[in-house]
Amino acid sequence: AQTVTQSQPEMSVQEAETVTLSCTYDTSENNYYLFWYKQPPSRQMILVIRQEAYKQQNATENRFSVNFQKAAKSFSLKISDSQLGDTAMYFCAFMKRSNQFYFGTGTSLTVIP
Amino acid sequence: NAGVTQTPKFQVLKTGQSMTLQCAQDMNHNSMYWYRQDPGMGLRLIYYSASEGTTDKGEVPNGYNVSRLNKREFSLRLESAAPSQTSVYFCASTGGAGGPRDTQYFGPGTRLTVL
Repeated sequence: AQTVTQSQPEMSVQEAETVTLSCTYDTSENNYYLFWYKQPPSRQMILVIRQEAYKQQNATENRFSVNFQKAAKSFSLKISDSQLGDTAMYFCAFMKRSNQFYFGTGTSLTVIP
Repeated sequence: NAGVTQTPKFQVLKTGQSMTLQCAQDMNHNSMYWYRQDPGMGLRLIYYSASEGTTDKGEVPNGYNVSRLNKREFSLRLESAAPSQTSVYFCASTGGAGGPRDTQYFGPGTRLTVL
């Protein structure tokens, strides 16, 4: 079975600072995909960043980057220069080749002005 | 291009009533999903459809049925609603032309309350 664990239910960060959200997963598969989704108060799920397991290079999208450690099954999200609009729930997700997704329980991030 | 649409946005039911949640996508995606989101539980997969004509159970299928009406539409039915089914329901899709096969696109969600 696949599981995704987010051990930080809540986090806060000062505006313009950097914050890292943790995610670990458990799988016996070798080829898979990992994602971070953002859910603001509007409840819409928005893709932040994705990583293919076969790529060693960490994905980056503007202020968002990941630290993907395949052997450790770790996939953390770093948000640089935090902005008030980053306040949201963040979900880590795992997808295996069958297109089935598994989500973590989420981390509530608050950016403090 | 509307993406993934869901109806209704809000619904209140009494215990024992039935209803169908509708979902449609216009991205020519092959796979579609239904999730429920509860506080502290994250998103849990109810059913998914890897392609038109196929459906499979997810993590929490009890009390639900689904229909993949065509490639665009994937409906979720509650035959006899229970208070435990009070939740926010999300439909999602992946695959096909217009986007990376491996990225999920979500609808705006349906907030369902069962009294």
